[in-house]
Amino acid sequence: EAGVAQSPRYKIIEKRQSVAFWCNPISGHATLYWYQQILGQGPKLLIQFQNNGVVDDSQLPKDRFSAERLKGVDSTLKIQPAKLEDSAVYLCASSSRDTLNQPQHFGDGTRLSIL
Amino acid sequence: EDQVTQSPEALRLQEGESSSLNCSYTVSGLRGLFWYRQDPGKGPEFLFTLYSAGEEKEKERLKATLTKKESFLHITAPKPEDSATYLCAVINDYKLSFGAGTTVTVRA
Repeated sequence: EAGVAQSPRYKIIEKRQSVAFWCNPISGHATLYWYQQILGQGPKLLIQFQNNGVVDDSQLPKDRFSAERLKGVDSTLKIQPAKLEDSAVYLCASSSRDTLNQPQHFGDGTRLSIL
Repeated sequence: EDQVTQSPEALRLQEGESSSLNCSYTVSGLRGLFWYRQDPGKGPEFLFTLYSAGEEKEKERLKATLTKKESFLHITAPKPEDSATYLCAVINDYKLSFGAGTTVTVRA
């Protein structure tokens, strides 16, 4: 079974620029999550999708972050404009059901550095 | 507010030296607890789910236990390949909250 795919693996941009990350979940997984992991911390949920719809985006900084999941498969997360504090690893995860106690399977993330 | 605290932050072990990692939590309506392993430059890899106090799960040299206030991850006779950061995450009715992790280094 292919895992969660993310790209790019690394991205370096200057502050106030925009950036986008892409995620392809495990085939058949209806639920998709985006997390932000700052160095030395655990992952923090940004947004959860169930198929095309948003289940939880309460911790997404909506003034600069946006995410979409068209056709209920791939997803993109965008930051515009980026700030220095956005430097982190952005992880995508998927699970087969929408209940939180279903284990989530993670991709290897995109490491974002803001100069 | 829900809190998940892992201790110690870092643990250095000699190969074969057993030890335990702690995950203490304060959360309303606990639905379960996950343990994950994270290697440098990789995403977290699922290890265990525990749902109720008294439950135990085992996988190779790892054993996870759960009480009403904390969970332990016991590493028995660790090997260098067990070196990683171990994350716990608690689940309540509406969200999943991760701790900051314990970084384990096992020396040969």
